Amino acid sequence: NAGVTQTPKFQVLKTGQSMTLQCAQDMNHNSMYWYRQDPGMGLRLIYYSASEGTTDKGEVPNGYNVSRLNKREFSLRLESAAPSQTSVYFCASRDFSSYNSPLHFGNGTRLTVT
Amino acid sequence: AQSVTQPDIHITVSEGASLELRCNYSYGATPYLFWYVQSPGQGLQLLLKYFSGDTLVQGIKGFEAEFKRSQSSFNLRKPSVHWSDAAEYFCAVGFSSGSARQLTFGSGTQLTVLP
Repeated sequence: NAGVTQTPKFQVLKTGQSMTLQCAQDMNHNSMYWYRQDPGMGLRLIYYSASEGTTDKGEVPNGYNVSRLNKREFSLRLESAAPSQTSVYFCASRDFSSYNSPLHFGNGTRLTVT
Repeated sequence: AQSVTQPDIHITVSEGASLELRCNYSYGATPYLFWYVQSPGQGLQLLLKYFSGDTLVQGIKGFEAEFKRSQSSFNLRKPSVHWSDAAEYFCAVGFSSGSARQLTFGSGTQLTVLP
């Protein structure tokens, strides 16, 4: 069982470069999420997609864009990377038909912007 | 707005000792509560959850948590800690409104286990 798969695992960017973080889930979940994790701040929601074809801003959306490509895939794009976006990024999914269902997480992408 | 507080940033216990990690939440209605564990370099794994019924819930790896409405708390406990329990632990609260924009996370508690 692959669960939630994120690529790449590590990435170093220079300020101003762009990149896309990929996420795919094989659990047939309808909802997908992107979080960032910073020391002492827990996980903060960047964007989420309640279902295929919809996306909404979370707590910290500035500097990011997302695409829900299909039910399985949800990508996060940094158009012009900034040092403040150095973080660990987690993709997650859940079955929204049961609203107490937990999130299932990928193993994260560690991004450094120099 | 809902919030989650984990007052202990870092806890150190000896192997075999008991453990309690604190979590307090602020939310107007009965929340859905979760504890997750994160090992180094890994994603978050669900330990246990509470949404209704018995206020003492059992999870994986020998962990349990107790929901206390009067104290707005959902503390995580383990009677005897193993070295493999060293990790970061996150408490999270979920909405009952059905919104997909769910789960507010606490800032985490780092657990160190001494031999």
